[in-house]
Amino acid sequence: DADVTQTPRNRITKTGKRIMLECSQTKGHDRMYWYRQDPGLGLRLIYYSFDVKDINKGEISDGYSVSRQAQAKFSLSLESAIPNQTALYFCATSDSRDRASYEQYFGPGTRLTVT
Amino acid sequence: AQSVTQLDSQVPVFEEAPVELRCNYSSSVSVYLFWYVQYPNQGLQLLLKYLSGSTLVKGINGFEAEFNKSQTSFHLRKPSVHISDTAEYFCAVSGTGAGSYQLTFGKGTKLSVIP
Repeated sequence: DADVTQTPRNRITKTGKRIMLECSQTKGHDRMYWYRQDPGLGLRLIYYSFDVKDINKGEISDGYSVSRQAQAKFSLSLESAIPNQTALYFCATSDSRDRASYEQYFGPGTRLTVT
Repeated sequence: AQSVTQLDSQVPVFEEAPVELRCNYSSSVSVYLFWYVQYPNQGLQLLLKYLSGSTLVKGINGFEAEFNKSQTSFHLRKPSVHISDTAEYFCAVSGTGAGSYQLTFGKGTKLSVIP
């Protein structure tokens, strides 16, 4: 089984709808991240969480909110979806104790289309 | 704050030819450097990283990269590419402080290997 899973993998929604993307991990990592990927723009950080009670805005948080329900779960919500939020969304995790690596581990992505 | 510039958005190369994907970074502090690869319809996977020590870093699948502090570069190379190397490659940078968390990604380079 994959260490970092994302649901759904694909979603089409209409403008104005609220939508939630979910991320779960079995790696035991304390840090979790949400990124969006747009063609030609690379990955940009939306929110990150160092633990359940520590949530922080990233580079492009407007229009998004998050919830860290447990150490293993981190959800991203679009309160009122708009077409320019159409993108590929990635969840990632890392272990703050792993000072030798600093590696982030990525989920498979959720492709979101807002019509 | 850090920034990353990937100088080529697309690189076509014939099978078994060598390839270099270029990455330059900007930072006011010491950095860690990473290359991630994204195969079609998949998440990102770490290819290699530079944290300290030898400036020549070897990664998976025969890739290597050289950290050049004076030129603020971290170019990725492979002496002979395969069809299976067709993917998008992302260079990323983070600070080295104990509180560093954020990966700043370049916009990506699409490598197309031509049979």
